[in-house]
Amino acid sequence: GAGVSQSPRYKVAKRGQDVALRCDPISGHVSLFWYQQALGQGPEFLTYFQNEAQLDKSGLPSDRFFAERPEGSVSTLKIQRTQQEDSAVYLCASSTSPGTSREQFFGPGTRLTVL
Amino acid sequence: SQQGEEDPQALSIQEGENATMNCSYKTSINNLQWYRQNSGRGLVHLILIRSNEREKHSGRLRVTLDTSKKSSSLLITASRAADTASYFCATDNGSSNTGKLIFGQGTTLQVKP
Repeated sequence: GAGVSQSPRYKVAKRGQDVALRCDPISGHVSLFWYQQALGQGPEFLTYFQNEAQLDKSGLPSDRFFAERPEGSVSTLKIQRTQQEDSAVYLCASSTSPGTSREQFFGPGTRLTVL
Repeated sequence: SQQGEEDPQALSIQEGENATMNCSYKTSINNLQWYRQNSGRGLVHLILIRSNEREKHSGRLRVTLDTSKKSSSLLITASRAADTASYFCATDNGSSNTGKLIFGQGTTLQVKP
């Protein structure tokens, strides 16, 4: 079956531009997570959705970062006025239901480079 | 901020040898997971061990958990070139029920044919 997909796979933006990153989770998965992975580091949590509700956005680094999942399936992570420090791989993951004992299924990521 | 420290940061072995990676974490947990990441397949879940378990096996993988020391180890036996990847441990936050994961910095494993 289809896994988690993300688009675009690569994005180059000039500093100050807005970008939108898309995530298509596995169909029927209730939980959706966004992570940011800097080069040579492990992923860091950004935000969490349970269906359409954004229940945790404690990891968003600034108010330039905004995420939504309006119909409880596809999610978009938007970064406004991009800065060089935003350069990273943005990973989306989904799991079947809420809870701590769930395997997360990750997408291939979007590599964002801000010039 | 990241939860865990992984040791070693990099490991290079010959095919057929065993590889051991260690992970330490800071807070109480409900469970600990190990993930593998390579350029071909992204992050893939390997195994989950609950806080009340001490050891778990899956194929050539053996995971141990010592909650008193807040540490875990991943053993890969009879390694193959295809095991070349980065390996991450990930924990939940014991007081959170969302399932968000806190990752370590990872161990880069190279298996030479």
